[in-house]
Amino acid sequence: EAQVTQNPRYLITVTGKKLTVTCSQNMNHEYMSWYRQDPGLGLRQIYYSMNVEVTDKGDVPEGYKVSRKEKRNFPLILESPSPNQTSLYFCASSPQRDASYNSPLHFGNGTRLTVT
Amino acid sequence: GNSVTQMEGPVTLSEEAFLTINCTYTATGYPSLFWYVQYPGEGLQLLLKATKADDKGSNKGFEATYRKETTSFHLEKGSVQVSDSAVYFCALSGLNYGGSQGNLIFGKGTKLSVKP
Repeated sequence: EAQVTQNPRYLITVTGKKLTVTCSQNMNHEYMSWYRQDPGLGLRQIYYSMNVEVTDKGDVPEGYKVSRKEKRNFPLILESPSPNQTSLYFCASSPQRDASYNSPLHFGNGTRLTVT
Repeated sequence: GNSVTQMEGPVTLSEEAFLTINCTYTATGYPSLFWYVQYPGEGLQLLLKATKADDKGSNKGFEATYRKETTSFHLEKGSVQVSDSAVYFCALSGLNYGGSQGNLIFGKGTKLSVKP
């Protein structure tokens, strides 16, 4: 089944403890992206990647890192999580090198992160 | 800058009622427009899309028409069902905005609850 898989679904951690949220897609998609969803703020883009070894900042990149060593994987790394990073995170991918009319986004089911 | 504005929710309707969720946008150039839907506990899914003025996107009984003169892309459904309860996001994509070429800009989402 074609899908975007995120792990874990739920994560509770403490301030400063490094964590990684994994994202993998099995559709050979070029473009991958991370979003966070917060009440009243909607979806905001954190980082995106148009190709292997190519990543770029979105609207809210502070406190996050990503890597794209393989086409299928796009992990999100929080080196030193803080409570303001408590959020619902989504990974998404699309077939072409952007998220356009002919290349809509496919989303994972989300990771709910709580930082205490 | 480029942006999407959606009507604030939540919207509560009875089954078989008519639905309209307003969406207006600000953009340079000629963006493509999308509606995504997020069912409880899931990621977003593409619902419908349109790429140029007067295009009508439709899917699952939902429709939206790209109105360039009013910069709008309102979502409508003639008769909602309980299973339509979800959060609906309007989004746009296009070239040369915000340094994130080809990325999507989302509205804040509108939560719809349909009562039997």
